[in-house]
Amino acid sequence: QVQLVQSGAEVKKPGSSVKVSCKASGGTFSSYAISWVRQAPGQGLEWMGRIIPILGIANYAQKFQGRVTITADKSTSTAYMELSSLRSEDTAVYYCARERPYYSSSTSYTEIDAFDIWGQGTMVTVSS
Amino acid sequence: DIQMTQSPSSLSASVGDRVTITCRASQSISSYLNWYQQKPGKAPKLLIYAASSLQSGVPSRFSGSGSGTDFTLTISSLQPEDFATYYCQQSYSTRRAFGQGTKVEIK
Repeated sequence: QVQLVQSGAEVKKPGSSVKVSCKASGGTFSSYAISWVRQAPGQGLEWMGRIIPILGIANYAQKFQGRVTITADKSTSTAYMELSSLRSEDTAVYYCARERPYYSSSTSYTEIDAFDIWGQGTMVTVSS
Repeated sequence: DIQMTQSPSSLSASVGDRVTITCRASQSISSYLNWYQQKPGKAPKLLIYAASSLQSGVPSRFSGSGSGTDFTLTISSLQPEDFATYYCQQSYSTRRAFGQGTKVEIK
């Protein structure tokens, strides 16, 4: 069974950048997309962006466009999320999640992706 | 981007109660809607995909319904382990989005 193992906690200064990794353990990414989701303390889940590693194609939430870069290394089954120009509001737990395709009669058996496997989360603290 | 709005933001219920959570999309998303459960300090867990299909291993007291813009997650008989926060999420657009969450607390 594939697990997603993320890099450790980070403490960063405002204005700096952070790069978090997410490695597929016990398998590969296959053709699945990997999304990044963050959760500020006491807040809800916020989708940041995703990448299809086999294609190297990424797309981002409008809120993070220009400040986030998601990449993947197929050879090591590792995805990366880099967030720049950090501010205190970026303090959060950052999760990677695998998007697995499902098929259901309710979508006329066309593919619907859902986050079925999650990393353990990486705490990023932005503080001067 | 598609916006997802859940209601209520929180609710108090007792063990054995029937609980209903609503999720509304800012535009039609057909049935491209998933539900997750999150407990404190843990990653979310997939409960339902495609609006009404139960993920493997999820108890049958959980059910989902809806299509277009309006969706519902129902817990038929609330159990102690169900006290958690629930999120809807759309997969219609490649720019995914979550609802703001509904916290289910013990009355």
